[in-house]
Amino acid sequence: DTAVSQTPKYLVTQMGNDKSIKCEQNLGHDTMYWYKQDSKKFLKIMFSYNNKELIINETVPNRFSPKSPDKAHLNLHINSLELGDSAVYFCASSQGDRVHEQYFGPGTRLTVT
Amino acid sequence: KNQVEQSPQSLIILEGKNCTLQCNYTVSPFSNLRWYKQDTGRGPVSLTIMTFSENTKSNGRYTATLDADTKQSSLHITASQLSDSASYICVVFIEGGYQKVTFGTGTKLQVIP
Repeated sequence: DTAVSQTPKYLVTQMGNDKSIKCEQNLGHDTMYWYKQDSKKFLKIMFSYNNKELIINETVPNRFSPKSPDKAHLNLHINSLELGDSAVYFCASSQGDRVHEQYFGPGTRLTVT
Repeated sequence: KNQVEQSPQSLIILEGKNCTLQCNYTVSPFSNLRWYKQDTGRGPVSLTIMTFSENTKSNGRYTATLDADTKQSSLHITASQLSDSASYICVVFIEGGYQKVTFGTGTKLQVIP
């Protein structure tokens, strides 16, 4: 009965590869987010989708492409991975713009070697 | 620039002792403030939310305070337990919807026996 789930939990890959991280929520929310937490534990929003439509797109390289096939899913695809992409990526969801009531997933630790 | 600063960066206390974590923010216009607990390898989980009109709010052994005039919040943990060992993140939300959230860098608390 996990509320927000992400797969995989850990991802180790080499520079230049393309990888995807999946996120699913069963809370019935219509807004989903991707955050990046760097080595200093600072969380920064990357993208947000509401009803499958992109509503927030922070200054993120074009190599990152979110995809929302439906309201319950928001996947993150990363092309040509770089060392600086190593971080923990968190998915979150909320209802509407109630961003202060968002629920976070467990995170995906991405290590690029 | 909207910022949220937390202190101390890290803290070690003995089990059973109390501690207080600080959060100073320059975010404006302020909507509300939330304290999250992030266990190692997990996503942030909300502990408490403070709105502009609230000065103090408790959630079990956690008590949060807010001084909107000085733009300061604190999280007081009473009778600490080993399971309190985690990072505590102060998050400030700005009025106006999706994009406006600023995360602090967190305080890493370690409770030792």
